[in-house]
Amino acid sequence: KAGVTQTPRYLIKTRGQQVTLSCSPISGHRSVSWYQQTPGQGLQFLFEYFSETQRNKGNFPGRFSGRQFSNSRSEMNVSTLELGDSALYLCASSSGGRANEQFFGPGTRLTVL
Amino acid sequence: SQQGEEDPQALSIQEGENATMNCSYKTSINNLQWYRQNSGRGLVHLILIRSNEREKHSGRLRVTLDTSKKSSSLLITASRAADTASYFCATDPTGSEKLVFGKGTKLTVNP
Repeated sequence: KAGVTQTPRYLIKTRGQQVTLSCSPISGHRSVSWYQQTPGQGLQFLFEYFSETQRNKGNFPGRFSGRQFSNSRSEMNVSTLELGDSALYLCASSSGGRANEQFFGPGTRLTVL
Repeated sequence: SQQGEEDPQALSIQEGENATMNCSYKTSINNLQWYRQNSGRGLVHLILIRSNEREKHSGRLRVTLDTSKKSSSLLITASRAADTASYFCATDPTGSEKLVFGKGTKLTVNP
């Protein structure tokens, strides 16, 4: 079974721009969660999608949004980028939800200049 | 604030030694998971222990859970250089809709 894939792996943007990150879960997994990882704040939960519906959301501003498609692939979008958005963005899929074993992708390293 | 707090923040040992990492949390949980992350990469699930379990083993890993003390420990026996990574605990708090990660323990195993 192929693992979770994320594209792109690296991204450099400037302040004010917007960015879209993509995640393809393991085949058959319907739950996709997104996390932001920074040295200062650690791993923070962004949101979880299950069967195309946002099921849970973390404490992030509305600039962070996401969606999930019928094939379970998910995208997250960050608009009006700020320097503080520089982070490793991790996507994880599971067969059930966040209480189950999470399978993580390699992440997208976003740098905002 | 983080639900789980790992201790120590960093640990350096020699190959062959055992490594013990601890995780404390604040509220009641459904389960607790441990993950490993190699530098700048995705996390890998190691083990899940449910709130009604006290101990679990997987290969060289041993996890304990003490719900009365709201703490868990991860023991890696006979460590190898390849075990060098950051280790995170993640809790599934009762009534919460989120999986909450601690800030991790950075383990260095010297050959």
